[in-house]
Amino acid sequence: QSVLTQPPSVSAAPGQKVTISCSGSTSNIGNNYVSWYQQLPGTAPKLLIYENNKRPSVIPDRFSGSKSGTSATLGITGLQTGDEADYYCGTWDSSLSAVVFGGGTKLTVL
Amino acid sequence: EVQLVETGGGLIQTGGSLRLSCAASGFTVSSNYMSWVRQAPGKGLEWVSVIYSGGSTYYADSVKGRFTISRDNSKNTLYLQMNSLRAEDTAVYYCARVEMTPWLQPNWFDPWGQGTLVTVSS
Repeated sequence: QSVLTQPPSVSAAPGQKVTISCSGSTSNIGNNYVSWYQQLPGTAPKLLIYENNKRPSVIPDRFSGSKSGTSATLGITGLQTGDEADYYCGTWDSSLSAVVFGGGTKLTVL
Repeated sequence: EVQLVETGGGLIQTGGSLRLSCAASGFTVSSNYMSWVRQAPGKGLEWVSVIYSGGSTYYADSVKGRFTISRDNSKNTLYLQMNSLRAEDTAVYYCARVEMTPWLQPNWFDPWGQGTLVTVSS
């Protein structure tokens, strides 16, 4: 059981928008930065979002992040078939003194 | 180009030892914070360990006392020595550079290596 809770799967049609939630507590998301990672099938994770809502320069602005209280959200607009992947949220947990990740969300672009 | 390449994975018996390597290029390992993250087959990501630029090391409770993170500055390489291996240690092990917060907590991981598979079996 992961410390951070993500929906196991989400789906949407090409061109549509999808959001992926990540729920935690005051010891993790509530008081620390959240990052998001994309893992395409058979590949290593790749950084998508850092410090809640910042994008590396190589990441298109179709990807966005936000945080409110003890939850964070990843948004993807203009869905493409190439966005089909597993998405993970991560943060520091001050009580555990450890990095924690969500269980991952599988995105299907129908 | 910033790149990380892991090697050293393989099939090992329960109770055995294995050392993973992570060769870095495009940046200096000793000047950065580096981490190991693992992923069991079909499962999510699990943080394993971090080494600070100053040499301090920290571990997940699941590996504390069994795994040791280290680096060789002359080879610009990160290591993970894994002892007393268990079936539940079976996973793909990734190394990653860690960006820290100003108060020295791990913030985000980038880049990641391609991973190396460790299989622990009796």
